[in-house]
Amino acid sequence: GESVGLHLPTLSVQEGDNSIINCAYSNSASDYFIWYKQESGKGPQFIIDIRSNMDKRQGQRVTVLLNKTVKHLSLQIAATQPGDSAVYFCAEMLSGGSYIPTFGRGTSLIVHP
Amino acid sequence: SQTIHQWPATLVQPVGSPLSLECTVEGTSNPNLYWYRQAAGRGLQLLFYSVGIGQISSEVPQNLSASRPQDRQFILSSKKLLLSDSGFYLCAWSVGIGSNTEAFFGQGTRLTVV
Repeated sequence: GESVGLHLPTLSVQEGDNSIINCAYSNSASDYFIWYKQESGKGPQFIIDIRSNMDKRQGQRVTVLLNKTVKHLSLQIAATQPGDSAVYFCAEMLSGGSYIPTFGRGTSLIVHP
Repeated sequence: SQTIHQWPATLVQPVGSPLSLECTVEGTSNPNLYWYRQAAGRGLQLLFYSVGIGQISSEVPQNLSASRPQDRQFILSSKKLLLSDSGFYLCAWSVGIGSNTEAFFGQGTRLTVV
């Protein structure tokens, strides 16, 4: 995957600020995208997903934006809390055939109280 | 509900020793199964995936192998570990072929080869 051999970028924010985590995906034919949150020493957990027929989807305190023109995803976290500190991964999927999620590099979010 | 079990949680093994990590899924049938490795401070690298019993696809040639002896069991093995095999190993599952569903991850195994 593209993340092999690359250190994770880091985003540092103050508690209460809004956070924006970006991800560039590789396959223009991908039609399903997911954001995962991985806390230290744990497996990734699903946060929110979006299909390619949408450009925005909102959850609780999180919003995912999809720009298919430039193959870009973003995850916006409102009123960031210390508990949001984690590594965030985007994953892209291509429907049809075997299902293999391809993960982006990941971004380490550090929230300062 | 579906659950995924991965063990052991941590493992320290000497160089040259064998490895066997096991992953089982409950509450679903014919899942797609995956093994990922995550080196410290890095992203997720897909090692193997399986869409059915006895079917294994390898993404990265290396010192590891995988097997799927039962529908909901996925095993990661090595005959002789290398120092470079150290990392955080994650098992994951999903359902459906060609369907848009997320992958669900186990809690991972921290492997340290010394």
